[in-house]
Amino acid sequence: EAQVTQNPRYLITVTGKKLTVTCSQNMNHEYMSWYRQDPGLGLRQIYYSMNVEVTDKGDVPEGYKVSRKEKRNFPLILESPSPNQTSLYFCASSSGSFTTEAFFGQGTRLTVV
Amino acid sequence: GDSVTQMEGPVTLSEEAFLTINCTYTATGYPSLFWYVQYPGEGLQLLLKATKADDKGSNKGFEATYRKETTSFHLEKGSVQVSDSAVYFCALIPSHPSGNTGKLIFGQGTTLQVKP
Repeated sequence: EAQVTQNPRYLITVTGKKLTVTCSQNMNHEYMSWYRQDPGLGLRQIYYSMNVEVTDKGDVPEGYKVSRKEKRNFPLILESPSPNQTSLYFCASSSGSFTTEAFFGQGTRLTVV
Repeated sequence: GDSVTQMEGPVTLSEEAFLTINCTYTATGYPSLFWYVQYPGEGLQLLLKATKADDKGSNKGFEATYRKETTSFHLEKGSVQVSDSAVYFCALIPSHPSGNTGKLIFGQGTTLQVKP
């Protein structure tokens, strides 16, 4: 079954404690990205990757890091989380064509206290 | 820059009512247009899409037509069910040359609640 898997689904952490949210896809997609969803703002892109070892900033990259060492994995790293990073996070993958759909993970609800 | 605007929600309807969720966009050229749906506690999934002007996307009784002249992609369904209760997102992928092909630009989402 084609899927994007994120872990964990829920996470509560304290300010400044480094964390990683994992994302894995089994569709051999080249394009992967991270979005955050906030009320009234829709989804905004944090980082994206066009292929292995190729990553770039999206619209709201501050406070986040990513890596793409393997095609299937695209972890999101928060080196020093702050309360304004409390949000719902989604990983997505696609073929990268502008006509094709993206597949989304189930989301990670992060709370930073 | 490119953007998507959706009607404010929440939208509350009775079962079997007609649904319209308005979506307009700003973009150069001919973007691809999408509707994604997010059921409670789940990720987004594609509902329908249209990739060129006058195309009609359809799925599960939902329809939307790509109107270049009005820069719109309104979502419609003739008879909603309780199971259609979800958040609906209109989105586009720009067609202009960019290194970030595949980037989705979303509207703010519209919550639909259907009551029995």
